[in-house]
Amino acid sequence: GESVGLHLPTLSVQEGDNSIINCAYSNSASDYFIWYKQESGKGPQFIIDIRSNMDKRQGQRVTVLLNKTVKHLSLQIAATQPGDSAVYFCAAEGNGGADGLTFGKGTHLIIQP
Amino acid sequence: GAGVSQSPSNKVTEKGKDVELRCDPISGHTALYWYRQSLGQGLEFLIYFQGNSAPDKSGLPSDRFSAERTGGSVSTLTIQRTQQEDSAVYLCASSRTSGGGDTQYFGPGTRLTVL
Repeated sequence: GESVGLHLPTLSVQEGDNSIINCAYSNSASDYFIWYKQESGKGPQFIIDIRSNMDKRQGQRVTVLLNKTVKHLSLQIAATQPGDSAVYFCAAEGNGGADGLTFGKGTHLIIQP
Repeated sequence: GAGVSQSPSNKVTEKGKDVELRCDPISGHTALYWYRQSLGQGLEFLIYFQGNSAPDKSGLPSDRFSAERTGGSVSTLTIQRTQQEDSAVYLCASSRTSGGGDTQYFGPGTRLTVL
């Protein structure tokens, strides 16, 4: 089965610095990966996704990197802002979506003023 | 509204009672998912609906859990004879299509507390 894990439960960064959140997955058949942001009391909010035929994708202030060789995923947030404080989850999908998404436990990103 | 909606937002119930949670997916989305999130944890997949097709129930935690989706739109998750370990946030998500590779958009969740 799939397992998805995050390397750090909490990441503290200075406002304006760049943040990198890492994730590992176990199922090499996973072909779609998503990063979600979850603020307290809210549902997960889509940030960015990447398919297995890509190794990098950029959005607004965010970049996702995928290394299929070592089954590793990372989320880079540029110039972090106070509003970036949240729990970040990576999720992996396989089996055509029929098994839903497999989520990691989350990294709590704390922005220091 | 444009997003996934869920009701109620909070539900407090006594052990042994039945509860019903509702999800309204984004209009036009054919795939619907239920997840459970325990305190401080990631999300656990429960069940998936593609349109009106019968779902695979193997991900449900026990036979006290059931779900249905009528008319290919609204879904309800029912928990019978609730137990304290059922306390969690129940999240619903929908995606435009099934078959994988399509973004799942989440609702705000229903926080269930079983006393």
